[in-house]
Amino acid sequence: EDKVVQSPLSLVVHEGDTVTLNCSYEVTNFRSLLWYKQEKKAPTFLFMLTSSGIEKKSGRLSSILDKKELFSILNITATQTGDSAIYLCAVGNYGQNFVFGPGTRLSVLP
Amino acid sequence: NAGVTQTPKFQVLKTGQSMTLQCAQDMNHEYMSWYRQDPGMGLRLIHYSVGAGITDQGEVPNGYNVSRSTTEDFPLRLLSAAPSQTSVYFCASSISGHNEQFFGPGTRLTVL
Repeated sequence: EDKVVQSPLSLVVHEGDTVTLNCSYEVTNFRSLLWYKQEKKAPTFLFMLTSSGIEKKSGRLSSILDKKELFSILNITATQTGDSAIYLCAVGNYGQNFVFGPGTRLSVLP
Repeated sequence: NAGVTQTPKFQVLKTGQSMTLQCAQDMNHEYMSWYRQDPGMGLRLIHYSVGAGITDQGEVPNGYNVSRSTTEDFPLRLLSAAPSQTSVYFCASSISGHNEQFFGPGTRLTVL
């Protein structure tokens, strides 16, 4: 059975801190790994990773995939209160569907 | 572009009632899907569709039906609501089943 695990499940930091969120997976016929940010409503897309070792960056956020060790990390530097959200990891397979992890709830305090 | 729209935003049902959650997208996406989100469990796939006339089951399909008669619409039907179906339901669409998905705003359903 396909499985996606995220850690930690919950994290509280102060503004300016750097955080690392983890996602590990066991998925048959892996194709891609995606990160989403979910604030109060719908998840919004952050990154899609398909190749090992290539870092994707967007401002203070970055992510990298290790297909050999079956994990990905999402880094957020110089955190701000607006980064408070649930961060979801999803893994796609060649069967055209995605398995989501439980999410990491990040709270950034001023 | 409205993106992905869902109606209603909130719904309360009694056990045994049936209803349809509506989902529409105006991006001409072939792939559409329905998820439910429960506390601590992330998003779980209910049903998905790779194009008009084609649907398939996801991880938790029992108690739900879907159809895809047009590219734009992908309604989710609850046949006989049960308290275990209390959840937040998200519809999503993407160009294909291998691309990032765009999510609707969600429907919060409570079954008493």
